[in-house]
Amino acid sequence: DAGVIQSPRHEVTEMGQEVTLRCKPISGHNSLFWYRQTMMRGLELLIYFNNNVPIDDSGMPEDRFSAKMPNASFSTLKIQPSEPRDSAVYFCASSLVYLSPGINEQFFGPGTRLTVL
Amino acid sequence: AQTVTQSQPEMSVQEAETVTLSCTYDTSESDYYLFWYKQPPSRQMILVIRQEAYKQQNATENRFSVNFQKAAKSFSLKISDSQLGDAAMYFCAYRRIGGSQGNLIFGKGTKLSVKP
Repeated sequence: DAGVIQSPRHEVTEMGQEVTLRCKPISGHNSLFWYRQTMMRGLELLIYFNNNVPIDDSGMPEDRFSAKMPNASFSTLKIQPSEPRDSAVYFCASSLVYLSPGINEQFFGPGTRLTVL
Repeated sequence: AQTVTQSQPEMSVQEAETVTLSCTYDTSESDYYLFWYKQPPSRQMILVIRQEAYKQQNATENRFSVNFQKAAKSFSLKISDSQLGDAAMYFCAYRRIGGSQGNLIFGKGTKLSVKP
């Protein structure tokens, strides 16, 4: 398996522009997570999907951020309009979550480094 | 709310020596999972070791082992026979069981340097 795939790996944009980050989870996984990593706040969960349905979006910072998962093999995280404080590394992770509790390891993608000028 | 604290922003170890990274957490749950992730300069998050809170036995993965003290809410990582490739950021993470199962809560990380 190719693992979790994210694109682009690097994105540089100007303030006010729309940014779309993409993620392809591991085939067969039913849960997908978007995390953001910054020096100030560390790694924090933005949103979590289970079976393509958003379960917890309490970490989404504001209305400028939106995430979709139209099918089991693709998700997007969109920022519109972007601001310099959105500069960070954005990780996508996927997991196979069973109905019964289990260790459910999360596998991370390589991340997208976003720079907003 | 659960929190994870790593009190050592940076650590250094001599190659072939042993180093211990500290992690404490706060939770009112009785069952949960704990993890250590490694993040090398490539940025890839790699799972190093994991521990189920209901298991008393400390987890071990080759040169990596944990000291899990449930009552003290402590979860330290010991790296034996340190290698140059162990140099990375190490993150301790907590995840509850049930409910919104997915949410990993991370500490701020410890940067480990390995000296040849």
